[in-house]
Amino acid sequence: DTEVTQTPKHLVMGMTNKKSLKCEQHMGHRAMYWYKQKAKKPPELMFVYSYEKLSINESVPSRFSPECPNSSLLNLHLHALQPEDSALYLCASSQAWGFAEAFFGQGTRLTVV
Amino acid sequence: ILNVEQSPQSLHVQEGDSTNFTCSFPSSNFYALHWYRWETAKSPEALFVMTLNGDEKKKGRISATLNTKEGYSYLYIKGSQPEDSATYLCAFKGAQKLVFGQGTRLTINP
Repeated sequence: DTEVTQTPKHLVMGMTNKKSLKCEQHMGHRAMYWYKQKAKKPPELMFVYSYEKLSINESVPSRFSPECPNSSLLNLHLHALQPEDSALYLCASSQAWGFAEAFFGQGTRLTVV
Repeated sequence: ILNVEQSPQSLHVQEGDSTNFTCSFPSSNFYALHWYRWETAKSPEALFVMTLNGDEKKKGRISATLNTKEGYSYLYIKGSQPEDSATYLCAFKGAQKLVFGQGTRLTINP
């Protein structure tokens, strides 16, 4: 199984809502990532978890809150988002942080209204 | 600010022709250089991870070279096919950074 599964595929939320994005992998990877991708731009790294510990937070606003409940799961909790946060959110995983090929999920297309 | 630049931004190649494009990155604090292939409406797919100066990697008709001293990597595609049409992204891993280039959008004309 070389899949990274993200749910939901699409999400529309209001600025006062609380929602969560979920990511799951069963490849035994110990590094998991959240990326944000705006139209026609490359992915931007948001967070890196390595061995279930937060290793990198790329100065992401606190309205985005990551969580790694176990080595297979990665969540991104969303609260009080702004319309400019609308983007494709990609999850990825790899054997080791930065040194192994990353497997990407299909992404969640988020629209904040 | 860490600059990872890819050139050209877009490229049109005739089917059967070979092509190459470039990723430029900082030559200091180098840890690894990744290449990904990204088709529209799909997830990025890893092609290569390169860590050593002088590395050459090959996967089918696609190959890549790495020069960490001067801070560049080349991706080569031999005998382009329509299915090679995609955006090719490189990503530079520094000490605590992973930064993608803007990508090279490759279109293969039949």
